[in-house]
Amino acid sequence: SQKIEQNSEALNIQEGKTATLTCNYTNYSPAYLQWYRQDPGRGPVFLLLIRENEKEKRKERLKVTFDTTLKQSLFHITASQPADSATYLCALDQPPGNTPLVFGKGTRLSVIA
Amino acid sequence: GAGVSQSPRYKVAKRGQDVALRCDPISGHVSLFWYQQALGQGPEFLTYFQNEAQLDKSGLPSDRFFAERPEGSVSTLKIQRTQQEDSAVYLCASSKSGITSSNQPQHFGDGTRLSIL
Repeated sequence: SQKIEQNSEALNIQEGKTATLTCNYTNYSPAYLQWYRQDPGRGPVFLLLIRENEKEKRKERLKVTFDTTLKQSLFHITASQPADSATYLCALDQPPGNTPLVFGKGTRLSVIA
Repeated sequence: GAGVSQSPRYKVAKRGQDVALRCDPISGHVSLFWYQQALGQGPEFLTYFQNEAQLDKSGLPSDRFFAERPEGSVSTLKIQRTQQEDSAVYLCASSKSGITSSNQPQHFGDGTRLSIL
């Protein structure tokens, strides 16, 4: 079955810097990879979806890359703000697709003013 | 409402009691998912409905867990004879399409935090 590793449990960065979060998977390359944000006591909120044939996707200050050779997705937040502090989850499907999403454990990001 | 609504937000039960957790998905959403989230972990899939049909229940941990969505909208997750290891946050999510689940964003409720004493 698919296993997902998100780089670290916690990441602290200074306000204004770029935060980079990593999502590595071990087995089959997914057709789609999704990123979610989760605040304490709340459900995950969808941020971005990237397809296996897309190298990069952007939305405002967010950028996601997808490298099927490295079996890795990177999630970047540029010009980070304290309001970006949250847990970020990556999720992907399993072959042959049309299967439930598998979520990583998440990375807790703290942006320090 | 505009989003996915779950009730109750918090539930405390004694070991051995039965509990029922409710999910109101976004109106018109075909797919509905239940997840279990332990502290410090990502959501883990429990079961999936496409309209009223339960197409996948492979994630349900035991036969004490039962879910239904009789009219293709509201869903209930029932846990019978609860045990301490059932303590977790139970999340519900819905998405527009039922064709391919993984290419659709999922819209989550804020969950029910279940504590079994």
